[in-house]
Amino acid sequence: AQKVTQAQTEISVVEKEDVTLDCVYETRDTTYYLFWYKQPPSGELVFLIRRNSFDEQNEISGRYSWNFQKSTSSFNFTITASQVVDSAVYFCALRGYNAGGTSYGKLTFGQGTILTVHP
Amino acid sequence: DGGITQSPKYLFRKEGQNVTLSCEQNLNHDAMYWYRQDPGQGLRLIYYSQIVNDFQKGDIAEGYSVSREKKESFPLTVTSAQKNPTAFYLCASSIAGDEGYKPQHFGDGTRLSIL
Repeated sequence: AQKVTQAQTEISVVEKEDVTLDCVYETRDTTYYLFWYKQPPSGELVFLIRRNSFDEQNEISGRYSWNFQKSTSSFNFTITASQVVDSAVYFCALRGYNAGGTSYGKLTFGQGTILTVHP
Repeated sequence: DGGITQSPKYLFRKEGQNVTLSCEQNLNHDAMYWYRQDPGQGLRLIYYSQIVNDFQKGDIAEGYSVSREKKESFPLTVTSAQKNPTAFYLCASSIAGDEGYKPQHFGDGTRLSIL
């Protein structure tokens, strides 16, 4: 069975602070994919990043960076110099790739972290 | 612009009534999904379809039904058997086949409430 845990239910920061959103996952698949999505108040989920299980390189995209550590089954997301527009719910998700297995094609989401950035 | 359209944005259901949520996509994606979102529980998969005329139950399919008669459409019916239907429903689509690495694209959602 797959499981994604986002232990932080809500985070509140002041603009320009750095903030890290934690994500821990469980899977028996040897190949899997990890995703981060952002859900603004409008409701639509916006894809932010995908990471393959065999690629542990960290990634930076502007103010966003992701730290994937297979040894600790974590895929944490950091926003540097946060802005009010970053306020949203952020979801970490996992999809296994075990052709023929029950996890194939399914996307398992964490509970989400509500981030509020105050001006 | 290509995307996923969900309608209506808000929907109210009376006791014992079936209601249908619409999901249409013009991304030419083979796979489509329905998720339910409740506060503090993230998104849970209701049904998914990887090809026309075929669909599979997700983790919480009881009380719901779907059809996939056309590639671009994947309507979800919330039946009277679903005793707690109040939630936010999200439809998604993605490229099928070796889809593990392809992100899913989401619609704006439908908020369903009981009258």
